[in-house]
Amino acid sequence: GQNIDQPTEMTATEGAIVQINCTYQTSGFNGLFWYQQHAGEAPTFLSYNVLDGLEEKGRFSSFLSRSKGYSYLLLKELQMKDSASYLCAVLDSNYQLIWGAGTKLIIKP
Amino acid sequence: NAGVTQTPKFRVLKTGQSMTLLCAQDMNHEYMYWYRQDPGMGLRLIHYSVGEGTTAKGEVPDGYNVSRLKKQNFLLGLESAAPSQTSVYFCASTRTGSEISYEQYFGPGTRLTVT
Repeated sequence: GQNIDQPTEMTATEGAIVQINCTYQTSGFNGLFWYQQHAGEAPTFLSYNVLDGLEEKGRFSSFLSRSKGYSYLLLKELQMKDSASYLCAVLDSNYQLIWGAGTKLIIKP
Repeated sequence: NAGVTQTPKFRVLKTGQSMTLLCAQDMNHEYMYWYRQDPGMGLRLIHYSVGEGTTAKGEVPDGYNVSRLKKQNFLLGLESAAPSQTSVYFCASTRTGSEISYEQYFGPGTRLTVT
């Protein structure tokens, strides 16, 4: 079967750094997406990785290791507005997105 | 551009009633999707469409039907609502082409409660 695992909830302090991990087992791999979802809102695109390594975009970075079936999202200089759920999703061999349950990130002052 | 829009935003149904959720996109995207999102679970694909006039089943299609008569619209129907269909429903669309184009653009969601 297809499976994507993420921690259910994480807590971090404003101004700090947090790393959200995602491990996956899917039928084929055509890339991995990270989305941000604020409470009561729709998911919005953060990043896409298809090759191994780190992609940096401002305060957010995303890392991929295809051999390990592993990715992480790194958020730096945390702000209160970063409080949200972060969804990991893998594009499988049928070009369907398989979604993790999401990690709820709580930022404390 | 409005992007992806959904109507209605909220709805309460009684068991056995029927309803249609409408999704519209103005980005000329080929692919459209209907998901449901329940607490503690990931987005689950109900049905999807790879073009006008075509639809296919996703992971959880039972109790739902869809139609894509026009490229910009994707309708989700509940023929006889059940309490298990209480959920938040999201519509999404995507271009085709390279893998990055499979980024999905989401509508604001419809919160459905079945009593």
